[in-house]
Amino acid sequence: GQQVMQIPQYQHVQEGEDFTTYCNSSTTLSNIQWYKQRPGGHPVFLIQLVKSGEVKKQKRLTFQFGEAKKNSSLHITATQTTDVGTYFCAGAFGSNYKLTFGKGTLLTVNP
Amino acid sequence: DVKVTQSSRYLVKRTGEKVFLECVQDMDHENMFWYRQDPGLGLRLIYFSYDVKMKEKGDIPEGYSVSREKKERFSLILESASTNQTSMYLCASSQDYPYGYTFGSGTRLTVV
Repeated sequence: GQQVMQIPQYQHVQEGEDFTTYCNSSTTLSNIQWYKQRPGGHPVFLIQLVKSGEVKKQKRLTFQFGEAKKNSSLHITATQTTDVGTYFCAGAFGSNYKLTFGKGTLLTVNP
Repeated sequence: DVKVTQSSRYLVKRTGEKVFLECVQDMDHENMFWYRQDPGLGLRLIYFSYDVKMKEKGDIPEGYSVSREKKERFSLILESASTNQTSMYLCASSQDYPYGYTFGSGTRLTVV
């Protein structure tokens, strides 16, 4: 079946360091979405990327969608303790509105 | 803001029981989804529905069924609960493609 691979599984950083998580699909995605799940919480929608090569920013977060629409990344500049949580990418294939989630990257931040 | 409400935060059920997990959304969303979340396995789609009385199997439908009699309500049914169905169950809804999902707070089900 269609899968979305996400790395790394875990990332521990010192506060102020940067963080990046990557997603990859073997087949072309129609769009990719990013979610954040705080410890004990539920996933919360962050952003959606649709166009090839698209880059979007939300304050310290930068989201990219690859030219071939098979990969994506989320980069956080100068992490803060409030960034702690699991970041999931989720891809859609074709016109299908169901999402396939990556397994997530758990980010911990040492103050 | 869209609100997705799951009826129970925690549930403990016995093996063999029939279990109903309820989910209600208040923004007239077309699409609703049931996922389970397990450590190391991420979120896996059980069933989804794109309209009233319409349903489709996700990636792991075995042992589950669903019901959507009204647009705002999507129920997940465990016909005969088993210990391997102990998990966090997350309901989500969305407008038509390609909008993001809004998740409920989840139901942590323990089957003993």
